[in-house]
Amino acid sequence: QVQLQQWGAGLLKPSETLSLTCAVYGGSFSGYFWSWIRQPPGKGLEWIGKIDHSGNTNYNPSLKRRFTISVDVSKNQFSLKLTSVTAADTAVFYCARGIPVSGTNNYFDSWGQGTLLTASS
Amino acid sequence: QSVLTQPPSVSGAPGQRVTISCTGSSSNIGAGYDVHWYQQIPGTTPKLLIYGNSDRPSGVPGRVSGSKSGTSASLAITGLQAEDEADYYCQSYDSRLSGVVFGGGTKLTVL
Repeated sequence: QVQLQQWGAGLLKPSETLSLTCAVYGGSFSGYFWSWIRQPPGKGLEWIGKIDHSGNTNYNPSLKRRFTISVDVSKNQFSLKLTSVTAADTAVFYCARGIPVSGTNNYFDSWGQGTLLTASS
Repeated sequence: QSVLTQPPSVSGAPGQRVTISCTGSSSNIGAGYDVHWYQQIPGTTPKLLIYGNSDRPSGVPGRVSGSKSGTSASLAITGLQAEDEADYYCQSYDSRLSGVVFGGGTKLTVL
């Protein structure tokens, strides 16, 4: 049974950089898509982007390109960086494993526990 | 404004059947991309409920079902129980955006 465990500082000041890491335990790293998803308080889910084991990335074009997703296959980990955070970025950030279906479409069968980002001075 | 449109809320009495709709367009559901559904009890992580339009992961009861037709999809829950009270999200892929898209979510209240 795969498990995703994420960590990173959740309380930041405006203009600082969010760094989150997600470790994958109990499963293969290859053959899946590894995504980050965020959820502002009281609102819905928003896909940020994904990466595969080769480092190929796709990002949500609706978001400004402040997000960077990277992978460390040797550690079975992938990471998210968000630069210049503002109060508008306050949200719970989840990492998730994507099961590929027909090309780049996927569904998420395993999720990290979530990290609340609060950007406040 | 979400790419996939869901009703903000639905409700039903215990034992009843409820459905939640998910309406898309020709660049996502209408293009043939699969629809997936998640359940999120407030304060917890989303849980996969339906994948590939109508398949249930192991552990999801048979009273939960999904369907898709044209540019829309639906989630149905029969024999409603108090534990079904949660937020439900549909998800698919959009070729115009080249990425995963979610519905805005539907809050299910068990009366």
